[in-house]
Amino acid sequence: ETGVTQTPRHLVMGMTNKKSLKCEQHLGHNAMYWYKQSAKKPLELMFVYNFKEQTENNSVPSRFSPECPNSSHLFLHLHTLQPEDSALYLCASSFGGAKNIQYFGAGTRLSVL
Amino acid sequence: QKEVEQDPGPLSVPEGAIVSLNCTYSNSAFQYFMWYRQYSRKGPELLMYTYSSGNKEDGRFTAQVDKSSKYISLFIRDSQPSDSATYLCAMSAEQTGGSEKLVFGKGTKLTVNP
Repeated sequence: ETGVTQTPRHLVMGMTNKKSLKCEQHLGHNAMYWYKQSAKKPLELMFVYNFKEQTENNSVPSRFSPECPNSSHLFLHLHTLQPEDSALYLCASSFGGAKNIQYFGAGTRLSVL
Repeated sequence: QKEVEQDPGPLSVPEGAIVSLNCTYSNSAFQYFMWYRQYSRKGPELLMYTYSSGNKEDGRFTAQVDKSSKYISLFIRDSQPSDSATYLCAMSAEQTGGSEKLVFGKGTKLTVNP
């Protein structure tokens, strides 16, 4: 398993549910990211945190709410999602900077019914 | 024009073939170029990293960057069934402050048939 761990691996939720995705990195990185991966589309960057501070919110709907309590943990809180939000949600971490090599978790496969 | 263009395939080759995967891009500020490999039900893993123009070789894999043409390639020699995966190109530009964004291609799905 990689140094980036995501839970749960699979999640099925109704449109009225509230759930959270969790990401933990053991690589000593200071930057963490949430991406959405849908079929036939490039990875979509959602949020970036650098030293626990949010530095990027890529016009993500408010039904997605990130939380970064420290440099090793990242959450994505979900509420009142839509079926089109069904996708693979990937967490990544890096040391940041120009080179910015990112290391990914295995992802959470989310299905919204 | 999209920032990064990558043919999604699918690409199917026999075992032992030489595979060529490519991306084109429009942003001349990109200087860092990466190839990620993503197996089914897994997250992307870094395969190759190149800075600016030139070639880089690692075993059966060679990454090439041609900044004048805004074109990058990944070659896989003696391809194996275990190389069957989706290959994503990614690139970033040098910027001041913060964490620079990686811009990804859509990914090319490769199948190597035994």
